[in-house]
Amino acid sequence: AQTVTQSQPEMSVQEAETVTLSCTYDTSESDYYLFWYKQPPSRQMILVIRQEAYKQQNATENRFSVNFQKAAKSFSLKISDSQLGDAAMYFCAYRRGGGATNKLIFGTGTLLAVQP
Amino acid sequence: NAGVTQTPKFQVLKTGQSMTLQCAQDMNHEYMSWYRQDPGMGLRLIHYSVGAGITDQGEVPNGYNVSRSTTEDFPLRLLSAAPSQTSVYFCASSYDESTNEKLFFGSGTQLSVL
Repeated sequence: AQTVTQSQPEMSVQEAETVTLSCTYDTSESDYYLFWYKQPPSRQMILVIRQEAYKQQNATENRFSVNFQKAAKSFSLKISDSQLGDAAMYFCAYRRGGGATNKLIFGTGTLLAVQP
Repeated sequence: NAGVTQTPKFQVLKTGQSMTLQCAQDMNHEYMSWYRQDPGMGLRLIHYSVGAGITDQGEVPNGYNVSRSTTEDFPLRLLSAAPSQTSVYFCASSYDESTNEKLFFGSGTQLSVL
């Protein structure tokens, strides 16, 4: 069975600094997708970034980028120039590819605090 | 655009009571699903549906029923609430079950069972 592990329950970063959130996963599949979701205090789940396993290039969305290490099964999220609005719970998630239904397996989350 | 709408936002039940959590989407999405979120456990899939009339179990289906009579609605029923079902429940949808499609989440229902 696939699993997703986030080993950092809480992180803190100074405004304008850079922070990296860690995520590792375990799967025997070769075709899969990885995601980072942001959950602010409003509870809304917001997709931050997505990575297809077959792509070697790391995904980037503005200040958010990932370091995808397929052999090591690692998928970390880097937030550059952190802003107060980045404070939230961040979830790493995995989904099997190959036509499987759209079922996500989530990690336990990392609570990010941004200090002014 | 309303997106995915969940009602109610908060609910308190007594053990043994039944209730239905409502989920509706106005994006003509075929795929809909229910997750529960518990502290220290992330989100776990309860049930999902790939289209009207079709439902299937996820990771933690016990104690919950679903049906999908229309494309728009995917209610989650608790037949006899238990304290272990205290959680935040999220409904999510996507255009179809394709792995390329983004999931849209509702804003959640916080349920407490006393």
